[in-house]
Amino acid sequence: DIQMTQSPSSLSASVGDRVTITCRASQSIKNYLIWYQQKPGKAPKFLIYAASTLQSGVPSRFSGSGSGTDFTLTISSLQPEDFATYYCQQNYSIPRTFGPGTKVDIK
Amino acid sequence: EAQLVESGGGLVQPGGSLRLSCAASGFTFSNYWMSWVRQAPGKGLEWVANIKQDGSDKYYADSVKGRFTISRDNAKNSLYLQMNSLRAEDTAVYYCGRGGGNFDCWGQGTLVTVSS
Repeated sequence: DIQMTQSPSSLSASVGDRVTITCRASQSIKNYLIWYQQKPGKAPKFLIYAASTLQSGVPSRFSGSGSGTDFTLTISSLQPEDFATYYCQQNYSIPRTFGPGTKVDIK
Repeated sequence: EAQLVESGGGLVQPGGSLRLSCAASGFTFSNYWMSWVRQAPGKGLEWVANIKQDGSDKYYADSVKGRFTISRDNAKNSLYLQMNSLRAEDTAVYYCGRGGGNFDCWGQGTLVTVSS
């Protein structure tokens, strides 16, 4: 199985900050990497697929990059509605596996 | 607009069974792989199973293989998860998701609690 790790596990930031979250796969997954945002008590929201393609309707302050084993999610200017937990997930192979999540909260 | 609505969760004793349902609307259900993903209280996301458009291929996480069965009824636009031999560690919110790998639409989830 492909193991997914994320760093940091949590971070505190202020509105307007640039935030970067890292995701690493235990083996190459090419660009088969997805990012989700989840707010408390809600279902995850699909943000980015194929490592860097923004889902329709997702604000352009979100961006993704990387390939192989190392990936990043960047929020260029953090907004109040962006405080949430972010998960990466590989869809290169079965079983699909998720990272443990990165919680972004208010400094 | 695509929508998924899960139902069937509840409290069940260890060793018991439960059947979850997911009703799909707003898209052509038969065109999509479908999946179940779960989230234990306060924990991360865990993929459970997925099923091909016509039901001919199904895949499971090792943690549920042999105990859970995914199925679908394209005529009813519905996805199912039959859960047998339930364990305490199966306690979670269960989400249905559109897609076999890219889960671009999620239901609101249904809570399954396994406890005596």
